[in-house]
Amino acid sequence: SAVISQKPSRDICQRGTSLTIQCQVDSQVTMMFWYRQQPGQSLTLIATANQGSEATYESGFVIDKFPISRPNLTFSTLTVSNMSPEDSSIYLCSVSGNLNTGELFFGEGSRLTVL
Amino acid sequence: AQRVTQPEKLLSVFKGAPVELKCNYSYSGSPELFWYVQYSRQRLQLLLRHISRESIKGFTADLNKGETSFHLKKPFAQEEDSAMYYCALSSSGNTGKLIFGQGTTLQVKP
Repeated sequence: SAVISQKPSRDICQRGTSLTIQCQVDSQVTMMFWYRQQPGQSLTLIATANQGSEATYESGFVIDKFPISRPNLTFSTLTVSNMSPEDSSIYLCSVSGNLNTGELFFGEGSRLTVL
Repeated sequence: AQRVTQPEKLLSVFKGAPVELKCNYSYSGSPELFWYVQYSRQRLQLLLRHISRESIKGFTADLNKGETSFHLKKPFAQEEDSAMYYCALSSSGNTGKLIFGQGTTLQVKP
């Protein structure tokens, strides 16, 4: 298993500002995933963060809005840029436990509220 | 389109009653399906996967390709089973990307 720490756990932000969420894993992993869970909605994959290359974004998500860094095999950041109230969500970092099984381990999430 | 549907937002049962959380999927290939659970104030975690054919905490789930379903069942619900349950589909082989259903809150009353 992997232990994933996310910071901040929650924050209240002003419209138009940007916030960076950090994700630290206790072991080296090839791929890290960033998910979003809007209020009352399911989890949606934003992007896959690969060390040493650009992140791969899912349909509906763009790098300008959600820039991602992956400087090493244990750390990643997701920035939510120019926030609006629609960005109020829980943002979750996850890593693959075993690519053969498809299992994911999740962080506790970062709950952002945009006023 | 790849999709996971959980038709019930909330399922409320009494302790000792049988539980069935419904999950239907839409996927053109050979699906890999999972149930994830989130207990109060805890992180999302894997409950079981169809490949393993295992029973975890008394829960089982059978993949029915004909009905494209992967319902989660438990014969006798316990209060500690109260949680949010998500059905998920692995969409791209072994990349670890998952498509989640909208989740069902299971409430087990004493």
